[in-house]
Amino acid sequence: AQSVTQLDSQVPVFEEAPVELRCNYSSSVSVYLFWYVQYPNQGLQLLLKYLSGSTLVKGINGFEAEFNKSQTSFHLRKPSVHISDTAEYFCAVTESGGTSYGKLTFGQGTILTVHP
Amino acid sequence: EPEVTQTPSHQVTQMGQEVILRCVPISNHLYFYWYRQILGQKVEFLVSFYNNEISEKSEIFDDQFSVERPDGSNFTLKIRSTKLEDSAMYFCASSRVSQQYFGPGTRLTVT
Repeated sequence: AQSVTQLDSQVPVFEEAPVELRCNYSSSVSVYLFWYVQYPNQGLQLLLKYLSGSTLVKGINGFEAEFNKSQTSFHLRKPSVHISDTAEYFCAVTESGGTSYGKLTFGQGTILTVHP
Repeated sequence: EPEVTQTPSHQVTQMGQEVILRCVPISNHLYFYWYRQILGQKVEFLVSFYNNEISEKSEIFDDQFSVERPDGSNFTLKIRSTKLEDSAMYFCASSRVSQQYFGPGTRLTVT
């Protein structure tokens, strides 16, 4: 079984400032990692994913994340945020093989609020 | 760009009634999922479906729940006798392999 912990429930930040949203996971097997964004009254949109290869992955809207296997982390970063980045962000994990393939386990979510 | 669609966007029902939530996955996808998100809580996995059968289900997915792919395009979640605690946003997702694409959700309100 896997679990995901998002360490911050809310992150306020000013426009054009950098931001990091933290995510730690636990799993006894190899995993795939994802970040999803949910804008108000909308569904979940994939920001980026780590499947294999380079541990630094780039996604849409200028976001990137780094997979750190030793620290079991997958923190999301953006060097300069916009007002339009205000949303809830979810980290998710799935096993890369085995009986639970495909089932996503989500963190609690982090509400990012960008202030002018 | 193809997308997952869900209907209705909002469903209000009385406790004890049956509801069917509908989803149209992306056409060439093979794996289908339902998740739910109770207000203020995390998104939780309910069930996955592949090759016309359930491949995995969570402990939430008890005998009150069922899923079906009645034709080549729709994927439905049925709750046989709704409870107040079934009030949540229900998301459908589909995938070819590892990346799941989510629909906009159906907000179910049980009164």
